[in-house]
Parts: sequence; C-alpha cells; structure tokens
Amino acid sequence: NAGVTQTPKFQVLKTGQSMTLQCAQDMNHNSMYWYRQDPGMGLRLIYYSASEGTTDKGEVPNGYNVSRLNKREFSLRLESAAPSQTSVYFCASQTGNYNEQFFGPGTRLTVL
Amino acid sequence: AQSVTQPDIHITVSEGASLELRCNYSYGATPYLFWYVQSPGQGLQLLLKYFSGDTLVQGIKGFEAEFKRSQSSFNLRKPSVHWSDAAEYFCAVDPGGGADGLTFGKGTHLIIQP
Repeated sequence: NAGVTQTPKFQVLKTGQSMTLQCAQDMNHNSMYWYRQDPGMGLRLIYYSASEGTTDKGEVPNGYNVSRLNKREFSLRLESAAPSQTSVYFCASQTGNYNEQFFGPGTRLTVL
Repeated sequence: AQSVTQPDIHITVSEGASLELRCNYSYGATPYLFWYVQSPGQGLQLLLKYFSGDTLVQGIKGFEAEFKRSQSSFNLRKPSVHWSDAAEYFCAVDPGGGADGLTFGKGTHLIIQP
C-alpha cells in the first residue's frame, strides 16, 4: 500500500517550457487535490477533483490545467512555465470519512 | 473573508518543555479542523482532527488540541517536546465538510533547543 505517490520528485524548467506532474493513489479515494507550497504562504489549493470525471478550480488555478485520468490518477500540467510557478507541489487524496486528506511526498519545481 | 490564522511564524522551545501552537479561524459555522506536521523535505502527516463532540482531541506522537468555539480557536499542545518534534506545523480547516479542499494557515516553524 503506497498511499499517494508523485513523480517527479525534482524538476528544473526554463521559462516557457511545459511539463506534467503525475499523482496516483491506491486508497480508492474519490477526491483528489493539487496544492502548492510557498515559503510563508502555507499550502494553497490549485485544483481539485471531487470524483472521477470532475475537476474544479481552487484558490490559485491560473497557469495550470488538470486531468483526472481515472479514479487513481490526477495530473497537473504547466503549459508554459513561469518563474512564479517555482514552488513545491503536493498532491492529496481524501477519504469519505470526515474529509481526512493524505498527502504525497511533493515535487520541488524550479523555473528559471 | 474566511481565513485560518497561525499567529506565530517561529517558536523556539527547550527539549522537555511544554508546547502550545495557536490557531484561529474565521468561519460562520464550526468547520472541520485539522493539525498537520511537515518534517523537512517531507509531505504532510495528519496529527489530529476535530469534527464534533469532545472538544479535547488526542492525536499521534503525544499531541492534543482543544477546540474553543467562543474563541474560534484550535490550539495544539504537547506536555513535553522531543528534539524529533522540530518541524513545520499547519492548522487546516474544511469549512463545508465537502470535497472542495482544505484551507491552511501559513504554518508555525518549531525549533527545539537542547
């Protein structure tokens, strides 16, 4: 039982490049989330998927797109990376019981 | 506006001393409340949670938190800290009990002095 896994762990991009962050969970959770963590800002919600086939914007969605590929997988795409997207990205999934969220180990992204 | 406030950015505590980390929220009704811990370079781990009932909740690693409705607070406590407790601590809120994500405070960085 791996929980929530994320790939890659680290990534360096140049401004304008694109990339996709992958997330998968093996806990059969319906809801999945993408957050970004910046120093002194806590975690902020980018996008979420309440169930397979649905996605919704969170607090900071600009510059990102998501795909809920199936119940297990939820990917985050940066179409044209900008230095402001330098951050640590966390994926999470949520149980149906009292909304407890389980987090992946994070992806540290640097955009030059 | 709805918000979660952790007033202390950094806290330094001596090993063996007691600890209290503060969290205040601003929501119309009582939300679901959580404390998470993040060790350096790691993801977030749930320490404890409150939904209803007994206002004093016990968590993992010897932590507890008390919900005070009158103060809109959910402070985290530990009677005696260990060096391994050095980490970042986040208070989080789910205002609606649905699937639309948590709102996090900005975190408190805990430093343990020997």
